[in-house]
Amino acid sequence: QQQVKQSPQSLIVQKGGISIINCAYENTAFDYFPWYQQFPGKGPALLIAIRPDVSEKKEGRFTISFNKSAKQFSLHIMDSQPGDSATYFCAASTIGNQFYFGTGTSLTVIP
Amino acid sequence: NAGVMQNPRHLVRRRGQEARLRCSPMKGHSHVYWYRQLPEEGLKFMVYLQKENIIDESGMPKERFSAEFPKEGPSILRIQQVVRGDSAAYFCASHTRRGDYGYTFGSGTRLTVV
Repeated sequence: QQQVKQSPQSLIVQKGGISIINCAYENTAFDYFPWYQQFPGKGPALLIAIRPDVSEKKEGRFTISFNKSAKQFSLHIMDSQPGDSATYFCAASTIGNQFYFGTGTSLTVIP
Repeated sequence: NAGVMQNPRHLVRRRGQEARLRCSPMKGHSHVYWYRQLPEEGLKFMVYLQKENIIDESGMPKERFSAEFPKEGPSILRIQQVVRGDSAAYFCASHTRRGDYGYTFGSGTRLTVV
């Protein structure tokens, strides 16, 4: 059973546009929701994370929107750049326990 | 701070051989997680270890797979009698469990079974 569902599987965005990736979860006990960025041949790197007590968190061009009642959260990348082209994974966990990852979104930003 | 170090980066094994993957967590991190990533898939949890203790091995196959994190030295993920289906990228992650709960991942070991 997939604890975290991620969409879309792939995304192509024009440079300067907004990239939006969505995730949904089932377990209401989850209390930590990170996003990871992975380049080919590299390990995932933590991009931004949110706790369920806030509805939005912004760091630079990256924003997480969190909807607790709908059990959904999303990553918005503003002013997308070719260097943002990577695979993005959402995840969810309860503090101190394993992370459940989505299946990933391959983002391509075209110049 | 050298980050999470994994070696080897690439490992080729013939069916039936043993694969041994090593992970040195970040300095000050005493909690290590191993994840497996298959092509076009997300990361699947395998095992969570503290120094000298296995905390959660619910994601690790019961046969052929074992993990340890000794008092001294790196964490080791061992796969005995490898099969083609074991071919994947294996990632190690560590964190301190204080404050920031985000993992720091290593660059992974890509295992190919031929």
